[in-house]
Amino acid sequence: AQKITQTQPGMFVQEKEAVTLDCTYDTSDPSYGLFWYKQPSSGEMIFLIYQGSYDQQNATEGRYSLNFQKARKSANLVISASQLGDSAMYFCAMRGARTGANSKLTFGKGITLSVRP
Amino acid sequence: DAMVIQNPRYQVTQFGKPVTLSCSQTLNHNVMYWYQQKSSQAPKLLFHYYDKDFNNEADTPDNFQSRRPNTSFCFLDIRSPGLGDAAMYLCATSRDPRVDEQFFGPGTRLTVL
Repeated sequence: AQKITQTQPGMFVQEKEAVTLDCTYDTSDPSYGLFWYKQPSSGEMIFLIYQGSYDQQNATEGRYSLNFQKARKSANLVISASQLGDSAMYFCAMRGARTGANSKLTFGKGITLSVRP
Repeated sequence: DAMVIQNPRYQVTQFGKPVTLSCSQTLNHNVMYWYQQKSSQAPKLLFHYYDKDFNNEADTPDNFQSRRPNTSFCFLDIRSPGLGDAAMYLCATSRDPRVDEQFFGPGTRLTVL
């Protein structure tokens, strides 16, 4: 079974500063993928970044980077130079590489980020 | 632009009155998913279609049904909505569920009176 844990309470960050959102996971799959999605108040889930378990380097996408520590089973999202529009709920998700049950996404409970002007 | 479209964005129905939510995609993806998301919770997968193959989650109530008449469209039917079914319903697609990310639509917020 796959499990994603996001335990941070609501996070606050000052505009233009960096913030780290924590995510830990558990899986028995040797190969898996980790995702971060952003969900603003409008409701749409927006894909941000992906990290494969065998990727040698940490993923980066613009202001988003993923601090992947495989031994610790953590995949923290780092947002640099926060903007007011970054205020949203952020979900960490995992998918095993095999077909069947582990091919679906398992989501964490999410973290609310508020950016202060 | 290629995208996932959900109609309507807001749906109000009465207790017990059947309702259908629709999703369409221009991505030509093989897989379409339906999620239910209640306030301040993670999305919960209801079922998905891999091409024409329907995959129901074990804990999805029988009250929820789905149809996929072609690659582009997928429908969520709630036969007898209860107050507990009020939620955001998200449709998502992916090309290959083993390697690709899922692309989500804007969601339909369902209110049950």
